[in-house]
Amino acid sequence: GENVEQHPSTLSVQEGDSAVIKCTYSDSASNYFPWYKQELGKRPQLIIDIRSNVGEKKDQRIAVTLNKTAKHFSLHITETQPEDSAVYFCAASRSSSNYKLTFGKGTLLTVNP
Amino acid sequence: DGGITQSPKYLFRKEGQNVTLSCEQNLNHDAMYWYRQDPGQGLRLIYYSQIVNDFQKGDIAEGYSVSREKKESFPLTVTSAQKNPTAFYLCASSISRNEKLFFGSGTQLSVL
Repeated sequence: GENVEQHPSTLSVQEGDSAVIKCTYSDSASNYFPWYKQELGKRPQLIIDIRSNVGEKKDQRIAVTLNKTAKHFSLHITETQPEDSAVYFCAASRSSSNYKLTFGKGTLLTVNP
Repeated sequence: DGGITQSPKYLFRKEGQNVTLSCEQNLNHDAMYWYRQDPGQGLRLIYYSQIVNDFQKGDIAEGYSVSREKKESFPLTVTSAQKNPTAFYLCASSISRNEKLFFGSGTQLSVL
């Protein structure tokens, strides 16, 4: 089955700096890669996703890049703010008949004012 | 944050007891899921259902059971066979596969 590795497990940055979280996946057939943000005590929420027919996607301060050859994808947050502090999860799945989304173990991002 | 509701927020299980976690959605989503969240372990899929009266095992189904008798409801039973049930349980739904997951607010299950 799919295996998703996420690094780093913790990341601390100064407000205004950029943050990058990287994930690798094992199943070359995977073609859907979402990122979820979970603030302390709250439910995970989708912040951005990318499908394998594109290499990059941006939404304001957030971007995701995908390298299918190397089987890795990354989340980039620019101009970080304290409210970006949360646990971020990457995930991967294939668009075959199953609905299984495999998550990484998460990255705790702390943005220091 | 409405749309998918989990109850209770906190639940305690005694040795040998089965407990049921409730999950209800009013988003008219076909697919529903149960995930288990342990510190530092990410989200692991327990069961998922693509449609009413159908469900499939996820990666860690042992010791759990589910039913999907109504589109809106997907309850999870943690049986006495689950030897390490203490965790945060998240229910989710989606309109279809490989689409945005909408999560509930979770149930924290602890063992007495």
